[in-house]
Amino acid sequence: AQSVTQLDSHVSVSEGTPVLLRCNYSSSYSPSLFWYVQHPNKGLQLLLKYTSAATLVKGINGFEAEFKKSETSFHLTKPSAHMSDAAEYFCVVSNQAGTALIFGKGTTLSVSS
Amino acid sequence: NAGVTQTPKFRILKIGQSMTLQCTQDMNHNYMYWYRQDPGMGLKLIYYSVGAGITDKGEVPNGYNVSRSTTEDFPLRLELAAPSQTSVYFCASSLSLDTGNTIYFGEGSWLTVV
Repeated sequence: AQSVTQLDSHVSVSEGTPVLLRCNYSSSYSPSLFWYVQHPNKGLQLLLKYTSAATLVKGINGFEAEFKKSETSFHLTKPSAHMSDAAEYFCVVSNQAGTALIFGKGTTLSVSS
Repeated sequence: NAGVTQTPKFRILKIGQSMTLQCTQDMNHNYMYWYRQDPGMGLKLIYYSVGAGITDKGEVPNGYNVSRSTTEDFPLRLELAAPSQTSVYFCASSLSLDTGNTIYFGEGSWLTVV
C-alpha cells in the first residue's frame, strides 16, 4: 500500500534562511506527488506537483522539490524563508488507482524575524 | 471564479442530530472528494466520486453517506452526529488524477458535535 511520511512535525527557521521540509513515500508504482500548503483557518493550496517529468519541480512562491526515486523522497525547499511562509505543509501521494490523494500528517513551519 | 464551494462554514450539532454538508463545483470536474482534517493527522478521505451516480468509500467512511446525482454537487450527510465527528471537512474536485491533475479544495466546514 502506498503511504507518505513527513519526517518533521514542526520546523522553525529565521526569516531569510533556507527551508527544508522532508517527505518520504512508499509506493509499488510510480506515483504522482504533491505539496500543499494550508494557512491558518484556510483551505489548501497546491504548491507544486511531480508527475514523472522533470525530477526537480518548481512551484509557487519560490518553493521547489526534488523527486529522488532511489531515496523515495520528495523534499520541499526554499532558499530564503519569508514570514508569510508560516503555515502547515502537506506532502501528498496519489493512490495506485489514481482515484484519490493520500496525505501526510503535515509539517508546521514557523518563521521568526 | 467560484471553484469549489462548501456550506455551511461553521456548524454546531448536538449528539444524535443529522445534517448535510453541501459541496458544489463549477469546473465540470468528474472527480469529487470529501476529506476530514483532525489536528496532527493530516487529511483523511471519507468518500469520493468519479462521476455522477458513482461513489466509493475512502479511508474513514463510517458515520457518513454521500450521493452524486449531478456532476456539480456532492453532499455529505451525517446521520447521527457523534463527538468523534467534530472536525474540519474539506470538499475537493479534479478532472482526474491521471498525469497529476490538480485537486481544488473548498475552504472547509468547521463542525462541532456537543
